[in-house]
Amino acid sequence: NAGVTQTPKFQVLKTGQSMTLQCAQDMNHEYMSWYRQDPGMGLRLIHYSVGAGITDQGEVPNGYNVSRSTTEDFPLRLLSAAPSQTSVYFCASSYDPGNTIYFGEGSWLTVV
Amino acid sequence: GNSVTQMEGPVTLSEEAFLTINCTYTATGYPSLFWYVQYPGEGLQLLLKATKADDKGSNKGFEATYRKETTSFHLEKGSVQVSDSAVYFCALSSPMDSNYQLIWGAGTKLIIKP
Repeated sequence: NAGVTQTPKFQVLKTGQSMTLQCAQDMNHEYMSWYRQDPGMGLRLIHYSVGAGITDQGEVPNGYNVSRSTTEDFPLRLLSAAPSQTSVYFCASSYDPGNTIYFGEGSWLTVV
Repeated sequence: GNSVTQMEGPVTLSEEAFLTINCTYTATGYPSLFWYVQYPGEGLQLLLKATKADDKGSNKGFEATYRKETTSFHLEKGSVQVSDSAVYFCALSSPMDSNYQLIWGAGTKLIIKP
């Protein structure tokens, strides 16, 4: 019963490096999303997808790219890491966007 | 636009105390309302939800009633335990939003002392 799986759990990057946060779900959910969580700011939506081949920007998309080639996978790419991207990142999925959302366990990213 | 406002934390209580965490919202139409909980070092998980006015969501001793007249969805528990220490998020999903984006409150940290 895997649910939503995110990797890596912890990562330290140097400014300017690129990396990909992986996200996979095994619930056949159409809707997937990426959030970042910063102290005192709650959750902010980065990008989301309503199905394979369809992605759109959320509230804070700058510096991030996503793709959705399959229903199961929704990777988040940091193109050129900046200290402002130090955060905890959560991948989430749901059957549809108005339904219960299932979250991954989070990825702690530090950019130095 | 749609918004969710939660009481600021942290909220610190003694074990067996009564808990209320306030949540009010602004939305067009008839949104669905949610409470999510985040335990330390974990992702968020759904605690309870309500999809129409006067509905009461309940789970693990927590309750919240969808009050359209006061645009509120306050979280309550009659007797809290140390294990309830977590961050609680109120959220709404509006059918007026074409993508049903969840709107999140900032979260309220709850600390329960033995």
